[in-house]
Amino acid sequence: EAQLVESGGGLVQPGGSLRLSCAASGFTFSGFYMHWVRQAPGQGLIWVSDINGDGSYTSYGDSVKGRFTISRDNAKNTLYLQMNSLRVDDTAVYYCARGGVVAATDLWGQGTLVTVSS
Amino acid sequence: QSALTQPPSVSGSPGQSVTISCTGTSSDIGSYNRVSWYQQPPGTAPKLMIYEVSNRPSGVPDRFSGSKSGNTASLTISGLQAEDEADYYCSSYTSSSTYVFGAGTKVTVL
Repeated sequence: EAQLVESGGGLVQPGGSLRLSCAASGFTFSGFYMHWVRQAPGQGLIWVSDINGDGSYTSYGDSVKGRFTISRDNAKNTLYLQMNSLRVDDTAVYYCARGGVVAATDLWGQGTLVTVSS
Repeated sequence: QSALTQPPSVSGSPGQSVTISCTGTSSDIGSYNRVSWYQQPPGTAPKLMIYEVSNRPSGVPDRFSGSKSGNTASLTISGLQAEDEADYYCSSYTSSSTYVFGAGTKVTVL
């Protein structure tokens, strides 16, 4: 069964850094685009970033461009999100998701909570 | 990139039909047939319901249908059931090679 499991969330101070991981299993990880999507408490979904199968292409939302970096290790079937210069408004549940169909994500993890607070 | 515009809430009785609109611009919905819809019950991860405007993934009931006209996409739920109560989000690919979501619509089954 295909599955995504995020980890690495937690409490961090403003200006700090955090790296999220997303372990994939049950499918050929290298064959798919992967995405990060976040959701602040009680708020809607916000697209963060995506990366193609071999890691040669990445894209970012305006609110994280220059601060966050998406990457992947296909040998480890793992997706990453390096988050630097974190701000209070980056507080959210971060989901990783598989781009399994055209321009949409068909498999989601359970999410990991990132809290930015002093 | 501004969020797509959705109504905050819609409601209907069991068996009725409800339609959720999603309005964007010529830089997203108006230029691409890359609109998707997601269902998110409280406390759970989103689930893909529609992709490429009107395609249903395997396992999604045919009560769910999607369409698009100009800069506006729509999701229709026919034969509303209690289990359909959830938040629904639209999403579109954009001319900046990014994605944008709508603010979400809460569907209530009366």
